[in-house]
Amino acid sequence: TQLLEQSPQFLSIQEGENLTVYCNSSSVFSSLQWYRQEPGEGPVLLVTVVTGGEVKKLKRLTFQFGDARKDSSLHITAAQPGDTGLYLCAGHSGTYKYIFGTGTRLKVLA
Amino acid sequence: KAGVTQTPRYLIKTRGQQVTLSCSPISGHRSVSWYQQTPGQGLQFLFEYFSETQRNKGNFPGRFSGRQFSNSRSEMNVSTLELGDSALYLCASSLVPLSGNTIYFGEGSWLTVV
Repeated sequence: TQLLEQSPQFLSIQEGENLTVYCNSSSVFSSLQWYRQEPGEGPVLLVTVVTGGEVKKLKRLTFQFGDARKDSSLHITAAQPGDTGLYLCAGHSGTYKYIFGTGTRLKVLA
Repeated sequence: KAGVTQTPRYLIKTRGQQVTLSCSPISGHRSVSWYQQTPGQGLQFLFEYFSETQRNKGNFPGRFSGRQFSNSRSEMNVSTLELGDSALYLCASSLVPLSGNTIYFGEGSWLTVV
């Protein structure tokens, strides 16, 4: 069974701090996506990474796909209260379905 | 371009009843997948449809079913509702089947079973 473990599970930080969220698996994924979900809403796609070692930047967010395509990280620089939400990684397994991570709930305090 | 639309947004049902949820994908998207999200289990894949055919199915009992129409709109049905079926049900669409293509989620349907 393919699993995507995210860490940490919960994170509460002050505005302006930096943080990194990890998404790890023992399986290889053909692509990996990161989503942010706010309470009562559906997940919103942040980024898709496809190539091992790939790094993508979205303003203050930096996403990296591991060289072996088994893990990924999301780094947020100078976090803001608007970054608060549930961050989910999702790996495509090549068998017509996505595997979702366990989620990281981030709260940024003003 | 309109996003994925799910209806209804909120509903309350009684144990033993059945429920049907609807999903309209982004225009031009032909693949629709369904997910159940609960605090304890996270986001879990239910099934995926493409060209009116179920392509893949997650580990859910047969009480959970779905279908897709020729216009790519999809419905999912849960029969004989149980308290544990209370969850946020999310629909996502993509251009073609889940072969690495980006999926876009709707806002979800909140189901409460009492």
